[in-house]
Amino acid sequence: QKEVEQNSGPLSVPEGAIASLNCTYSDRGSQSFFWYRQYSGKSPELIMFIYSNGDKEDGRFTAQLNKASQYVSLLIRDSQPSDSATYLCAVRGSTLGRLYFGRGTQLTVWP
Amino acid sequence: EAGVTQFPSHSVIEKGQTVTLRCDPISGHDNLYWYRRVMGKEIKFLLHFVKESKQDESGMPNNRFLAERTGGTYSTLKVQPAELEDSGVYFCASSQEGRGDIQYFGAGTRLSVL
Repeated sequence: QKEVEQNSGPLSVPEGAIASLNCTYSDRGSQSFFWYRQYSGKSPELIMFIYSNGDKEDGRFTAQLNKASQYVSLLIRDSQPSDSATYLCAVRGSTLGRLYFGRGTQLTVWP
Repeated sequence: EAGVTQFPSHSVIEKGQTVTLRCDPISGHDNLYWYRRVMGKEIKFLLHFVKESKQDESGMPNNRFLAERTGGTYSTLKVQPAELEDSGVYFCASSQEGRGDIQYFGAGTRLSVL
C-alpha cells in the first residue's frame, strides 16, 4: 500500500508569515513530487514539482525534498490571504503514471 | 488554451440509476486520467488512458464502472448501477505525451447517489 501522509490541519498563519506544509511518502521508488493548490469547488492547480533532493524555489514558494527521509515540504513565504486554500501533496510512483495523493492540508492566512 | 473540462459539475441520482461523466482533456494531450475523492479520503487513481488505450485500470473499484475514450479525445466514465458508496468527486486530468508526471486537473464532477 503506497501512502502519502500530510501534516494534519487546518493550518492558520498571519499575513506575512511563513507557512510550512509537510508530507511523507512510503514508496522509496517514487520519482516525482508535486504540490497542488485547490480552492473550494475548483480544480487542483499544480504549483510546484520537484524531482531531486534539495530545494526548489519559485517566487514565494519553496519545495524541499529529502528522499532518504521520504519527506517533501512546501514553504510559502510572505503568506497572503489569497494563499488560503487546501494544499495537496502528490507523489508519482516508480511505475506507470498514476499519482498518489495525501488528504490535503487546509491553510488559512488571516489579515 | 482551454483547460481540462468536465461535465456535469454536479449530478444527483438515485441508487440503481446510471450516470455518465464526461471529460474533455487539454487539446493534444495523449494521457488522460480519472481519479476519485470520496468524503474524508484522499484523491485516488481510477485509470489511465494513453490515446484510446487503457494503460492502467487497476484503480477501478468494480465492474460497475466503465471508462471509454473513443478516438483518443474526450473520455466518459459510466457508473451502472450506481451505489451509495459511489458518491464523491470524480476528477479528470490530462498530460502531454512523455510528460505523464505533469498532470492538469479539471474541476471535477460531484456525484451524489441517494
